Amino acid sequence: EDQVTQSPEALRLQEGESSSLNCSYTVSGLRGLFWYRQDPGKGPEFLFTLYSAGEEKEKERLKATLTKKESFLHITAPKPEDSATYLCAVRLLTGGGNKLTFGTGTQLKVEL
Amino acid sequence: NAGVTQTPKFRVLKTGQSMTLLCAQDMNHEYMYWYRQDPGMGLRLIHYSVGEGTTAKGEVPDGYNVSRLKKQNFLLGLESAAPSQTSVYFCASSYDLWGANVLTFGAGSRLTVL
Repeated sequence: EDQVTQSPEALRLQEGESSSLNCSYTVSGLRGLFWYRQDPGKGPEFLFTLYSAGEEKEKERLKATLTKKESFLHITAPKPEDSATYLCAVRLLTGGGNKLTFGTGTQLKVEL
Repeated sequence: NAGVTQTPKFRVLKTGQSMTLLCAQDMNHEYMYWYRQDPGMGLRLIHYSVGEGTTAKGEVPDGYNVSRLKKQNFLLGLESAAPSQTSVYFCASSYDLWGANVLTFGAGSRLTVL
């Protein structure tokens, strides 16, 4: 069964304390891995798309990387405004066409 | 730009009542989707549409119906609400199917079924 697992479920960091979030997947026929940010009471907001192992994307304090089995979202010197839930999703090609599967997210809290 | 707008934002229903959630997008996107988000579970696709007048079932379609009479609007209906349909519902749209570029989400509609 195709699965997307995010870890940890929750992460508390001090401001400036860098860390990484993980998204592992057991799917075949990957057609893209997506990272979204979700603030409380709001819909997910697109961050990155990665398509092939070795690919990296950066945006401000965030860097997303992709291997054949997992993706990491690295957060460098986080600030309180980076607090949010980070969702990953994988798009795969199935017999019925494209399918997008979301993970359950990592809830990040950055404290002063 | 408003992006994707969902109404209502909150609703409380009694078991057996019906209601419709409205999603409107102003980006001229061809593709629209309805997801539900529950604690401990990832976003799950209910129904989607690849264009005006077309709809298709997603992962969890039972108990829901949809319509796409106009390109900019995608309606999600509950004919006879059940407590299991208590959830936060998100509408999304994209330029292409499954969003090779971006899925743009609305702010969500929180539904409670008593």
